[in-house]
Amino acid sequence: GAGVSQTPSNKVTEKGKYVELRCDPISGHTALYWYRQSLGQGPEFLIYFQGTGAADDSGLPNDRFFAVRPEGSVSTLKIQRTERGDSAVYLCASSSSGGSQETQYFGPGTRLLVL
Amino acid sequence: GENVEQHPSTLSVQEGDSAVIKCTYSDSASNYFPWYKQELGKRPQLIIDIRSNVGEKKDQRIAVTLNKTAKHFSLHITETQPEDSAVYFCAALHMEYGNKLVFGAGTILRVKS
Repeated sequence: GAGVSQTPSNKVTEKGKYVELRCDPISGHTALYWYRQSLGQGPEFLIYFQGTGAADDSGLPNDRFFAVRPEGSVSTLKIQRTERGDSAVYLCASSSSGGSQETQYFGPGTRLLVL
Repeated sequence: GENVEQHPSTLSVQEGDSAVIKCTYSDSASNYFPWYKQELGKRPQLIIDIRSNVGEKKDQRIAVTLNKTAKHFSLHITETQPEDSAVYFCAALHMEYGNKLVFGAGTILRVKS
């Protein structure tokens, strides 16, 4: 079946602009995660959704970052007043029910470049 | 919180040789340890995982070992092939901290033919 998909694959924006990144999880997966991967590093956790609610947003770096998942499927990561330091690959993952030790399946990521 | 360290950062092996990548974690309550393979510009893909109630798991040429006492786990790839060349990430999960995976910094594996 279809895996996790993310759009756009690449996004170039200017400092100070607003961006939205979209994630479509595997159909039926109730748990959804956002991670950020800087060059040469492992992914870093941002936020975890169980259904429509954010169960853990402890990884969001500041209040410029916000994510929603209004219908418990597609999620959007929103970044306000972008800064050059926000440039990274933003990865989305999903797992079937959010239970302990479940496999997290990753999407291809959105490569964000802030000029 | 959890901290995961991964070594080496780069590893070159000759085709057919074995490769070993090691990770240590800080929180003894972590209980799930996946390994992901990421090719250039592609998504991380799970290749094997291990849970804290077992010490070793094998899947064809890939094996993972876990030493809970020492808080380290290792990935072993035997009979390496050029297509094994990629970046490998270990991760740890502590269920009391939610479902977030904490990743190591990655190992660039190059298999020379």
